[in-house]
Parts: sequence; structure tokens; C-alpha cells
Amino acid sequence: DTAVSQTPKYLVTQMGNDKSIKCEQNLGHDTMYWYKQDSKKFLKIMFSYNNKELIINETVPNRFSPKSPDKAHLNLHINSLELGDSAVYFCASSHGQGAFRSQETQYFGPGTRLLVL
Amino acid sequence: TQLLEQSPQFLSIQEGENLTVYCNSSSVFSSLQWYRQEPGEGPVLLVTVVTGGEVKKLKRLTFQFGDARKDSSLHITAAQPGDTGLYLCAGDEGGSEKLVFGKGTKLTVNP
Repeated sequence: DTAVSQTPKYLVTQMGNDKSIKCEQNLGHDTMYWYKQDSKKFLKIMFSYNNKELIINETVPNRFSPKSPDKAHLNLHINSLELGDSAVYFCASSHGQGAFRSQETQYFGPGTRLLVL
Repeated sequence: TQLLEQSPQFLSIQEGENLTVYCNSSSVFSSLQWYRQEPGEGPVLLVTVVTGGEVKKLKRLTFQFGDARKDSSLHITAAQPGDTGLYLCAGDEGGSEKLVFGKGTKLTVNP
């Protein structure tokens, strides 16, 4: 049973295209995240949702738009892909029900490897 | 400026050796977490430390949170090839909602 799953695992596309990455968690968690890990393995938060509400929105180009249809899903849509968007994108989830959300265990998905040509 | 500095960036040792990796900052954190990431997978939480001076042990791994809550260390005793991976520290600066990650220490343990 996969706790946090992402699709697709690999995504190769041309510059200028629009693509989506899907994430689902079956842990019953309230909070979900999107992270970007660059080629140097630096992991940086992009967005966080709690119960379908956006709570963290880092300085990310507005070509990136997250969507949470329900608290078990958080998808990431990227418009007009650029070379610099090439990276591994990780979805994660945490309980999100306590006072100290940032101290909670975050469960990461396996990542989506995006390559923009 | 990187909020969390990890050192060393790369470490290659022989099975059975001991090692320590460091996570340093000039900022105070409410908590610090250590994750291990294996190739092709997402990070997996090893430990969370929340009290200054706290020491936590996980089998051969010992984690310490600095007294001033600005730094942390991870010590591995008698390293094994299964310890190979990228070790990431992450903290919530001033109790903010988000985790900030260090750039990681890539550990290779050779048999």
C-alpha cells in the first residue's frame, strides 16, 4: 500500500508545453505539500495546502498552479514549461491537525522527474 | 544565503568507521528534523528534535540539537553500506509553518 503516490514518475516534454503532475495520499492527512529538488539535491518548498486551503505559497512563478480537489489529492499544473523547470518534484503529506505542523513527520512520495527539452 | 549549512557535502568511508555530519545556522529553530533520501526515492524522516541540548538515539545513529537550537549533528557508529544515502536536515525557522532544508550530506559507505 503506497502512502503517497505521484504520477507520472518520469515526464519528458518540450519547452512551452503545459503539463500536470498528480499526487494522492491515503494516510488521512490534512496537509499536503509540493517541493522542488534541483540537480544539486536542494529541496525547496513550493506550496502547502491544509484541508484544501492554500497556506504556503513560496516565490514560485505563477506558471505553477496547485489544485486540491479534496484533502487526499494535490495536483500541480505547470504552464509554458521552461528549461529551468527541469527538476524532481516531490509531493508530501503530514497530519496537519496539531498546533505545530512544521514539527510533524512529512511523508514524501517517490518524486516526478521532469525534463524539459 | 543558505539558512541551513550542512557539512561535509560529500563523505565516503569504509564499513565500520564512525562519522559525524553537521547542520549549522545563525537562526534559531523551533525544531530540527533529519531525513535520509536514497537514490530515486523521496526523503524519509529519521528524527525530530525540539528541545535545546536534546540527544536522540536510533540504533547506531545519535542526533543532537544544539543548546541554542541553531545547530544539530548526526553521528553514525560503525557505518554499514545500508547507511549510504543523502542526509538532509530541515528546520522551521522561528516556528514558521514551512520546513527549510539544508543542501544535504551525501554519504557513501563502502563494503
